[in-house]
Amino acid sequence: GQNIDQPTEMTATEGAIVQINCTYQTSGFNGLFWYQQHAGEAPTFLSYNVLDGLEEKGRFSSFLSRSKGYSYLLLKELQMKDSASYLCAVMDSNYQLIWGAGTKLIIKP
Amino acid sequence: DTAVSQTPKYLVTQMGNDKSIKCEQNLGHDTMYWYKQDSKKFLKIMFSYNNKELIINETVPNRFSPKSPDKAHLNLHINSLELGDSAVYFCASSQGQGEGSPLHFGNGTRLTVT
Repeated sequence: GQNIDQPTEMTATEGAIVQINCTYQTSGFNGLFWYQQHAGEAPTFLSYNVLDGLEEKGRFSSFLSRSKGYSYLLLKELQMKDSASYLCAVMDSNYQLIWGAGTKLIIKP
Repeated sequence: DTAVSQTPKYLVTQMGNDKSIKCEQNLGHDTMYWYKQDSKKFLKIMFSYNNKELIINETVPNRFSPKSPDKAHLNLHINSLELGDSAVYFCASSQGQGEGSPLHFGNGTRLTVT
């Protein structure tokens, strides 16, 4: 079966750095997405990786290793507004998105 | 504003009723989706339409019927509502179906069946 694993919850301190991991086992691979979802709101697109390596976008970076079935989202200079759930999703060989359950990130002052 | 908009935002109804949720996108996207997010926060694809044609129809009870009058609209009608239908339903759109096309989500409809 197809599976996406991410930690259920993480806690970090304002101003610090946090890394949210995602491992996947899917039928084929056509890219990996990270989304942010604040409580009671819609998911919003953060990043897309299809080739191995690091993609940097401001305070957020996303890394992919296809051989290891692994990605992480790195958030730097954490702000209180970064408190949210972070969803990892992989596009399989049929171009269907397989979603993880999300990682709830709690930022403390 | 360019966006995906869905109505209503909240829907409280009794078991056995029939209800509809409307969705419209003005992003010019070709593909639209309905997702269900349950209490455990898993996003599950229900339907996907590309240019008004159904392309994904996951294992969803046939009480759920999507309708796409044009590529900018994808409505969801639910018959004979059950307690287990309580969830947040998200409409989304994307430019294509292939790699690299991120989803743009509506704000969700929180359905509560009593």
